[in-house]
Amino acid sequence: DAGVTQSPTHLIKTRGQQVTLRCSPKSGHDTVSWYQQALGQGPQFIFQYYEEEERQRGNFPDRFSGHQFPNYSSELNVNALLLGDSALYLCASTNTDYGYTFGSGTRLTVV
Amino acid sequence: AQKVTQAQTEISVVEKEDVTLDCVYETRDTTYYLFWYKQPPSGELVFLIRRNSFDEQNEISGRYSWNFQKSTSSFNFTITASQVVDSAVYFCAPTNQGNLIFGKGTKLSVKP
Repeated sequence: DAGVTQSPTHLIKTRGQQVTLRCSPKSGHDTVSWYQQALGQGPQFIFQYYEEEERQRGNFPDRFSGHQFPNYSSELNVNALLLGDSALYLCASTNTDYGYTFGSGTRLTVV
Repeated sequence: AQKVTQAQTEISVVEKEDVTLDCVYETRDTTYYLFWYKQPPSGELVFLIRRNSFDEQNEISGRYSWNFQKSTSSFNFTITASQVVDSAVYFCAPTNQGNLIFGKGTKLSVKP
């Protein structure tokens, strides 16, 4: 039973560019959340998707957007990248039993 | 405001010592879940334990045990007979409106 899969593993982008990160949830999970983890900090909630709609959002600017597909997989898009967007981006999937499973993350470096 | 305080930034122990990680939390939810996760250098958050807020019975699972005190909003986690492989950053995380809130974590170093 595959867990949460994220791609790519690492990514280097230039300031001002756009980036798309991808997440496939654990089998049986229908809800996907995205978190940003800066170096030395805990993960910060970005947003959550359920039934292809953004259900909740944390304190992140509109440059951060997402999408969920009918197969429950999800994308995180960040526009107009800033140096401060450099972080580990974690995807977590869950269902109604609150069993959160995290992926290994995508490490984004903005130069 | 909802937040998690893990007062211990770093802990260093020698293998086979017991170690307790402290956690104090705030959440807007009246019923909620509490989690402990471990994050090794690879980055993945590894699930350790989960507790719901209406069950204050403390349990032991292998080398892990926890002490949940709802009255003081504390959810402490103990590793018995620590091992080098336990070295990682540990996060306490309550749910808040369906999502997890994380503190800054506690870095545990277990030396042989």
